[in-house]
Amino acid sequence: GENVEQHPSTLSVQEGDSAVIKCTYSDSASNYFPWYKQELGKRPQLIIDIRSNVGEKKDQRIAVTLNKTAKHFSLHITETQPEDSAVYFCAAGGNNRLAFGKGNQVVVIP
Amino acid sequence: DADVTQTPRNRITKTGKRIMLECSQTKGHDRMYWYRQDPGLGLQLIYYSFDVKDINKGEISDGYSVSRQAQAKFSLSLESAIPNQTALYFCATSDSREPTDTQYFGPGTRLTVL
Repeated sequence: GENVEQHPSTLSVQEGDSAVIKCTYSDSASNYFPWYKQELGKRPQLIIDIRSNVGEKKDQRIAVTLNKTAKHFSLHITETQPEDSAVYFCAAGGNNRLAFGKGNQVVVIP
Repeated sequence: DADVTQTPRNRITKTGKRIMLECSQTKGHDRMYWYRQDPGLGLQLIYYSFDVKDINKGEISDGYSVSRQAQAKFSLSLESAIPNQTALYFCATSDSREPTDTQYFGPGTRLTVL
């Protein structure tokens, strides 16, 4: 089955700087790559996603890039703010089944 | 997402007890999932159901069972709870008619087994 790995496990950034989280996946048949944000004590919520026929997608301060050849995709957060502090999960899959990474703790230092 | 609800939100029980966690959704989605979240381990799939008559095991189904009573309801049971089943449990839904495979999560149930 699909195996998803996330790096780094913890990332600290100064407010206003950019944060980048990278995920790798193993199954070349995967065609859907969402990113979820989970704040402390809350449910994971979708923040951005990308399908395999697209190389990059952007939504305000967040963007996702996909490299199908290398089987990795990344989340980019620009101009980080304290409210961006959370755990971020990447996932890979398709046909309504996803494999999740272990999550990245992002800490934005004011 | 208020359209996916879970009961109870918190539960403390003892080893050997039978526990049922319930999930309901008003989104009209046909697909439902149960995940377990442990610190540092992300979300692990326990069971999933693509419609009322379809039940499939996920990566960590041992010690768990499920029931899809209706399209809107999907229950997770622990027949004889053990301490290492202490975790945060999430239900999720998705719609096979959507062009993407987005899953929508419930608020979670925090289960503690003493």
